[in-house]
Amino acid sequence: ETGVTQSPTHLIKTRGQQVTLRCSSQSGHNTVSWYQQALGQGPQFIFQYYREEENGRGNFPPRFSGLQFPNYSSELNVNALELDDSALYLCASSLDRSLSPYGYTFGSGTRLTVV
Amino acid sequence: GIQVEQSPPDLILQEGANSTLRCNFSDSVNNLQWFHQNPWGQLINLFYIPSGTKQNGRLSATTVATERYSLLYISSSQTTDSGVYFCAVGTGNQFYFGTGTSLTVIP
Repeated sequence: ETGVTQSPTHLIKTRGQQVTLRCSSQSGHNTVSWYQQALGQGPQFIFQYYREEENGRGNFPPRFSGLQFPNYSSELNVNALELDDSALYLCASSLDRSLSPYGYTFGSGTRLTVV
Repeated sequence: GIQVEQSPPDLILQEGANSTLRCNFSDSVNNLQWFHQNPWGQLINLFYIPSGTKQNGRLSATTVATERYSLLYISSSQTTDSGVYFCAVGTGNQFYFGTGTSLTVIP
């Protein structure tokens, strides 16, 4: 059983550019949630995808968007990058939107630096 | 949303010492978890503890739901315990995380 994998692990982008981050969910999971973790802070919920549809969104602007594919993997897209978007982006997969600790698994994240 | 506060923000311990990390939350909860963030960034669940007390080896946790706080105890700390510890409240479709306690255990 594979865990949650995220790619790339590190990324440097220029302000104003666009970026796509990828997440492969754990086998058997149909829900993917994305979090942003700024340096020295706790993770903040961006949005959740369940069976290819957005299922809830945190306090993030529309330039943060996502997709979920039929195999339940997911992408996070950020347009018009700003310096404050520099952060660790974490993906978590689960079954049926559950927050149960027995099936909510985080990946190791993508470290995005915007210069 | 739910407010989650953690203290202390930073902690430096000698190997073998004990410590207590605290988490205060602003609303009643039925899903509270403690996580350890490893050096690679991955969040690892330590405890699911919406109320009561649990123990797992050298770690234990207690949540007093009526008073809206939770405590994580680390006994006989080891250098491998270093990292950031987060308390998170789960509600709806998301977790609300505190700002974490950064623990450094020195040999």
